[in-house]
Amino acid sequence: QQQVKQSPQSLIVQKGGISIINCAYENTAFDYFPWYQQFPGKGPALLIAIRPDVSEKKEGRFTISFNKSAKQFSLHIMDSQPGDSATYFCAAARGDSSYKLIFGSGTRLLVRP
Amino acid sequence: DTEVTQTPKHLVMGMTNKKSLKCEQHMGHRAMYWYKQKAKKPPELMFVYSYEKLSINESVPSRFSPECPNSSLLNLHLHALQPEDSALYLCASRSPRGDSYNEQFFGPGTRLTVL
Repeated sequence: QQQVKQSPQSLIVQKGGISIINCAYENTAFDYFPWYQQFPGKGPALLIAIRPDVSEKKEGRFTISFNKSAKQFSLHIMDSQPGDSATYFCAAARGDSSYKLIFGSGTRLLVRP
Repeated sequence: DTEVTQTPKHLVMGMTNKKSLKCEQHMGHRAMYWYKQKAKKPPELMFVYSYEKLSINESVPSRFSPECPNSSLLNLHLHALQPEDSALYLCASRSPRGDSYNEQFFGPGTRLTVL
């Protein structure tokens, strides 16, 4: 119930293409869903986050789509760039648990020039 | 200042050594976290401090000892570690209010190697 399942494990996209990463959860008590980007040797950086009362949130080239009934959410990276090549983690948290982040397993994205 | 700083960046220690990791934030956040991250894996929560009090300990071995001396500072004291404890140790803090209520900001981490 505490797991967040993330797919794909790795993704190769051409420059200018759309990168799509998917996550699914079981625990309906989760009320916060962030996405983090991590470059090698660095700490995770918050990209974008959503709450379950919103179905979509867009910030620049990054969009989260949220399907509460299916218990799924996804990250879309539009016009993908080589600088987007990194590992992406989805996560989920609940307010009554100190917002402890439960991370997905990660997706290694490579954007080819 | 929207930064979480961690020192040292790298640490190599023997199994009999005692060392400490330090984390600092000046964003007024009242929740601070320690995570451990092994290569090609997601971060795993170790400890959570809320208002300088330990609120979550994820069954971490006693060779890891956290300390929160004040609202801006978080330490992780290390003693008698094992080689399998080698990892990237990440500190994070969470904003307490407003639109960014839930956002956790991570530091750059300390790369720990136990010989």
